[in-house]
Amino acid sequence: EVQLVESGGALVQPGGSLRLSCAASGFTFSDREMNWVRQAPGKGLEWLSYISDSGDTIYYADSVKGRFTVSRDNAKNSLYLHMNNLRVEDTAFYYCTSEEAGDEFDFWGQGTLVTVSS
Amino acid sequence: SYVLTQPPSVSVAPGQTARIPCGGNGIGRKGVHWYQQKPGQAPVLVVFDNSDRPSGIPERFSGSNSGNTATLIIGRAEAGDEADYFCHVWDVDTYHVVFGGGTKLFVL
Repeated sequence: EVQLVESGGALVQPGGSLRLSCAASGFTFSDREMNWVRQAPGKGLEWLSYISDSGDTIYYADSVKGRFTVSRDNAKNSLYLHMNNLRVEDTAFYYCTSEEAGDEFDFWGQGTLVTVSS
Repeated sequence: SYVLTQPPSVSVAPGQTARIPCGGNGIGRKGVHWYQQKPGQAPVLVVFDNSDRPSGIPERFSGSNSGNTATLIIGRAEAGDEADYFCHVWDVDTYHVVFGGGTKLFVL
């Protein structure tokens, strides 16, 4: 059974930093492209970042470019999102997703909540 | 940047067919994917590549895509289909993923 489990969400002050993790199981992690998507409470989905299976290719949404960094450790079946200079508007549930060959997001984690507030 | 436009809500009577549109400039030339999200849950892929279904998704879910509008089609709508639905494309010009704003489906 495919599982994606996010962790690391917390309450953090504006300007602070946080690292989210996503533990993958049930599939060959090193073969899959991965993404981070977030959803502010009561709002829609916002794509944040893509990382290729090898980690060589990375893309970011304009809203987080320069502040967030995506990485992966295929030996540990893990995906990460390093978030710096957090803003109140970064408050959201953060999901990791696996990407199929046709660029659809076939599996999603349950999400982890990041709250940015003073 | 590429924009996908969805109506905030769509209503359908039980047993009837629901159609949820997703508008975008030349979207007919792109592969469109659809996700269902129920309250408190993560999104679930229900249609990919315009009209294909992942395993486990009922045949009632299908899609079409032409011109400037993609459509998620839910046949024989049930109360359990009430959810938010999001369309998704990959914008090859900007290397960005784009989501529509989401449509809440009411079955009543």
